[in-house]
Amino acid sequence: DTAVSQTPKYLVTQMGNDKSIKCEQNLGHDTMYWYKQDSKKFLKIMFSYNNKELIINETVPNRFSPKSPDKAHLNLHINSLELGDSAVYFCASSQGPPYPGLQYFGPGTRLTVL
Amino acid sequence: GQQLNQSPQSMFIQEGEDVSMNCTSSSIFNTWLWYKQDPGEGPVLLIALYKAGELTSNGRLTAQFGITRKDSFLNISASIPSDVGIYFCAGQRMNRDDKIIFGKGTRLHILP
Repeated sequence: DTAVSQTPKYLVTQMGNDKSIKCEQNLGHDTMYWYKQDSKKFLKIMFSYNNKELIINETVPNRFSPKSPDKAHLNLHINSLELGDSAVYFCASSQGPPYPGLQYFGPGTRLTVL
Repeated sequence: GQQLNQSPQSMFIQEGEDVSMNCTSSSIFNTWLWYKQDPGEGPVLLIALYKAGELTSNGRLTAQFGITRKDSFLNISASIPSDVGIYFCAGQRMNRDDKIIFGKGTRLHILP
C-alpha cells in the first residue's frame, strides 16, 4: 500500500501551458504539504494544508494554486508554466503538531518545461 | 530566510568506513530531523530528535540534538553500498507554525 502517492511521475510540457499534479495520502494525516526540489536538490516548502485549510503559503508565485478537496488530497495547479518551474515537486503528509517533522513524502513529480 | 548549514556537501568514502555529518543554525530549533533521499525517490525520515542533548540510534545510524539547540549531527557506522544517497537535516523552530526547514543535503558516495 502506497502511503503518499502522486500523479503523474513525469510531466513534460510547453511554456505557457497549465498543468496539475495530484497527491493522495492514506495515512489518515491531517496535514499535507507541497515542496519544490531544484536541480541542486534544495528542498523548499511551498504550501501546507491542515484539514483542508491553508496554513503555510511561502513566497510562491500566484500561478501556483493548491487545492484540497478533502484532507486526504492536496492537488497543485500551475498556470502559465515557465522554464524556471522545471523541478521535482514532492507532496508530503504528517500528523501535524506537536510532531510536524514526521513527514511522509511521495515519490515526486518531475516537471520539465520546454 | 532561515537556513540550516549542513556539511559536508559531499563525501566519498570506502565501504566499511564510518561517516559523520552535521547541521548548524543561527537560531534555536525545537526539533531536529534527519532524512535520506535515494535517487528518484522522496526523502524518508531516519531519525527524529525532540530534546536538547538527546542521542538516538536507528541501526547503524546515530544522531544527536545539540545542547545549544542550534546543531545536530548524524553518524553512520560501517557504511554499506545502500547507504549511498543524499542525507538532509531538517529542523523546526520553537513557538512557530509547523513548517520545517531543510538543509542543503550531504551527498554520500561509496567508492568501489
